[in-house]
Amino acid sequence: AQSVTQPDIHITVSEGASLELRCNYSYGATPYLFWYVQSPGQGLQLLLKYFSGDTLVQGIKGFEAEFKRSQSSFNLRKPSVHWSDAAEYFCAVASALFTGGGNKLTFGTGTQLKVEL
Amino acid sequence: GAVVSQHPSWVICKSGTSVKIECRSLDFQATTMFWYRQFPKQSLMLMATSNEGSKATYEQGVEKDKFLINHASLTLSTLTVTSAHPEDSSFYICSAADRKRETQYFGPGTRLLVL
Repeated sequence: AQSVTQPDIHITVSEGASLELRCNYSYGATPYLFWYVQSPGQGLQLLLKYFSGDTLVQGIKGFEAEFKRSQSSFNLRKPSVHWSDAAEYFCAVASALFTGGGNKLTFGTGTQLKVEL
Repeated sequence: GAVVSQHPSWVICKSGTSVKIECRSLDFQATTMFWYRQFPKQSLMLMATSNEGSKATYEQGVEKDKFLINHASLTLSTLTVTSAHPEDSSFYICSAADRKRETQYFGPGTRLLVL
């Protein structure tokens, strides 16, 4: 069964500092990997996704993530954090075969990001 | 990205009543939609997978008679919480699978409070 681990429950960074949120997955085949962001009381917004190809993927809002198969990781990064980035971040994995119109996502427990001004 | 709406955004109801939540994909057709439940400061828990024109598939431990799901069209799925009780109070989020983009897009969520 697939699983996702986000080791950091809370992270605090200063505005303008760089950010890295960790994500480790467990899946036997090639995974589909996602990062979503959730603001308080809101649904989830897709930041970026990795299916295949270039292991460094660019997303919205200046975020990027790097897929490292050898480490089973898909860490999210941003070079300079803005106060508006404060939110909950979820890493998710789906099985590689996207059939039938949908695939189950398995979510990590999330990382709460706090940005200090 | 694709847009998914949910209605209502929040609802307060009395114990014993039923509540219907709608999930719509606004700019794409979704043969599959998902319903999640999220408790405060926790991750999303998948409740069921809703397939257009067929019965929903429920995750283990989710009562199908309690949480009725209907996916009558390619853009609409509904979740009905029947005979709601205070323990059903939660944040319910739907997602719709966009096959072209091979991605799930999420609705803004519905906060349910059962008194």
